Amino acid sequence: NAGVMQNPRHLVRRRGQEARLRCSPMKGHSHVYWYRQLPEEGLKFMVYLQKENIIDESGMPKERFSAEFPKEGPSILRIQQVVRGDSAAYFCASSLRTDNEQFFGPGTRLTVL
Amino acid sequence: GQSLEQPSEVTAVEGAIVQINCTYQTSGFYGLSWYQQHDGGAPTFLSYNALDGLEETGRFSSFLSRSDSYGYLLLQELQMKDSASYFCAVRDRGYSTLTFGKGTMLLVSP
Repeated sequence: NAGVMQNPRHLVRRRGQEARLRCSPMKGHSHVYWYRQLPEEGLKFMVYLQKENIIDESGMPKERFSAEFPKEGPSILRIQQVVRGDSAAYFCASSLRTDNEQFFGPGTRLTVL
Repeated sequence: GQSLEQPSEVTAVEGAIVQINCTYQTSGFYGLSWYQQHDGGAPTFLSYNALDGLEETGRFSSFLSRSDSYGYLLLQELQMKDSASYFCAVRDRGYSTLTFGKGTMLLVSP
């Protein structure tokens, strides 16, 4: 049973470009969470999605950031017009139920030049 | 506001026992989780406490006191491979979303 998959593992963008981060949850999991981690910091919750629905986006900046989890395909975290401060590791997690343990993917390391 | 406090670094030797404490202040509380992270890799789930008391899983145990807003992770018979960052995380809503502490870096020496 494959774990949570994220791609790309490393992404380099120039300021002003768009970044698209993909997350495929574990098989059978329909709950997806996105977190951001800065160096030497803990993970900060961004958004929680179920298939086709955003349940909680209280941790996601209102501007430039968006997330989706379509009926078919991976969840996508999209960052428009990236700035240097967006450089971080972005982790996706999935769970079987809404109150279950989360399983994390390997993360996408975004570097904005 | 939400806050979790844990030591930034702990050192110990192989074979020893170490305890990593976590105090929390959150608007809601459903349980306390512990995660291990090696070198910025995928955080790995270690334990979850929803009720007061001690949960034991092999060499690792986790404790929770809801009245004290306090928990700890106990690692026994330390091995070099236990060198990693350990995060406490509170489930502060009615679903699995987590609020993480800043992490404790554990360094195990021979």
